[in-house]
Amino acid sequence: DTGVSQDPRHKITKRGQNVTFRCDPISEHNRLYWYRQTLGQGPEFLTYFQNEAQLEKSRLLSDRFSAERPKGSFSTLEIQRTEQGDSAMYLCASSLALREGISDTQYFGPGTRLTVL
Amino acid sequence: QQQVKQSPQSLIVQKGGISIINCAYENTAFDYFPWYQQFPGKGPALLIAIRPDVSEKKEGRFTISFNKSAKQFSLHIMDSQPGDSATYFCAAYSGAGSYQLTFGKGTKLSVIP
Repeated sequence: DTGVSQDPRHKITKRGQNVTFRCDPISEHNRLYWYRQTLGQGPEFLTYFQNEAQLEKSRLLSDRFSAERPKGSFSTLEIQRTEQGDSAMYLCASSLALREGISDTQYFGPGTRLTVL
Repeated sequence: QQQVKQSPQSLIVQKGGISIINCAYENTAFDYFPWYQQFPGKGPALLIAIRPDVSEKKEGRFTISFNKSAKQFSLHIMDSQPGDSATYFCAAYSGAGSYQLTFGKGTKLSVIP
């Protein structure tokens, strides 16, 4: 399967614990995005990388959230001191940007379902 | 402020009928409008997309109609099938500036036999 993969698919944690999710984009895609989706809503943008550089962060991304893409390939999203309000589906997407200013197609992974007890 | 408004919230269509979902946007900088299909427990999958230089795009049973002056676009699903039962999201994207997709709230489509 050459699509976007995410790990784990499900995570249950207790309030106050730290969690880390991993995303492997489609090979050679230079842009990687993180979104959060709560029940009955559309995905909401969290952050985006072009290669290894994090170029945009949403106001939704509080100080407890951090994302990295160390070598411009896979990415990790860490949530520290989880809260019940963090319970959601965390989606990763990737795209191939051929040049600046041109909208490109984002392909989504299956998501990581986080439940904070 | 919701930048992409989607309606209806839910839709029930009989097998073989036409499903129509509408979206409206405010930001004139948007230049790419994809539709995503999402099944329960899965990530969104790209269905079809359009750029504002065309008024209609058709792929199989799926058609996007785009009205740039009204800042509206819609998805038509012809000959709807039970397998089309899913949640559909319209989205908008601007390559100049922010690269985030802005999604509508979704339409839950149920196609009944």
